[in-house]
Amino acid sequence: EAGVAQSPRYKIIEKRQSVAFWCNPISGHATLYWYQQILGQGPKLLIQFQNNGVVDDSQLPKDRFSAERLKGVDSTLKIQPAKLEDSAVYLCASSLRLAGNVRNEQFFGPGTRLTVL
Amino acid sequence: KQEVTQIPAALSVPEGENLVLNCSFTDSAIYNLQWFRQDPGKGLTSLLLIQSSQREQTSGRLNASLDKSSGRSTLYIAASQPGDSATYLCAPLGGAGSYQLTFGKGTKLSVIP
Repeated sequence: EAGVAQSPRYKIIEKRQSVAFWCNPISGHATLYWYQQILGQGPKLLIQFQNNGVVDDSQLPKDRFSAERLKGVDSTLKIQPAKLEDSAVYLCASSLRLAGNVRNEQFFGPGTRLTVL
Repeated sequence: KQEVTQIPAALSVPEGENLVLNCSFTDSAIYNLQWFRQDPGKGLTSLLLIQSSQREQTSGRLNASLDKSSGRSTLYIAASQPGDSATYLCAPLGGAGSYQLTFGKGTKLSVIP
């Protein structure tokens, strides 16, 4: 079974530029998550989708970050404009079951390392 | 807000030793708890998932326990190998009225040949 795919793997941009990340979850997984991991920290949830709908975006900086999941499969996360503090690894994860299910197990992609200069 | 603490932050052991990694969390109203490993520059690999009603789970040389009422989980690694060197993260699902995974900062393990 193929895992969670993400691209690009690395991205370097200057502050105030825009950037987009792409994620393809495991086939059949209805729930998709985007996390931000700053160096030395654990991942922090940015947004969670259930099929096409947003379940939780309480920690997404909505003035500069946006995300969408078209047709309940692939997802893109965009940052516009980027700031220096956005330098981090952006991880995508997916799960078969709903987030409130005791058997909800999340599987992560390799991540995109973003450097903002 | 759920908070997760992992102790120790770093651990170095000789090959073959058994070891225990500790995780504590502040809100016991969780659905489950996952243990992950993360290799440098890589994503997270799921190791074990313990449902809220379970006390422990085993996979090969790994054994994870959960004491939900006291907000604690441990990951036991038997007969450690250099390939076990990585950062280990625990993440309870839920707590504080959320459906989120909350991560600790992890324990960085080095197994010396």
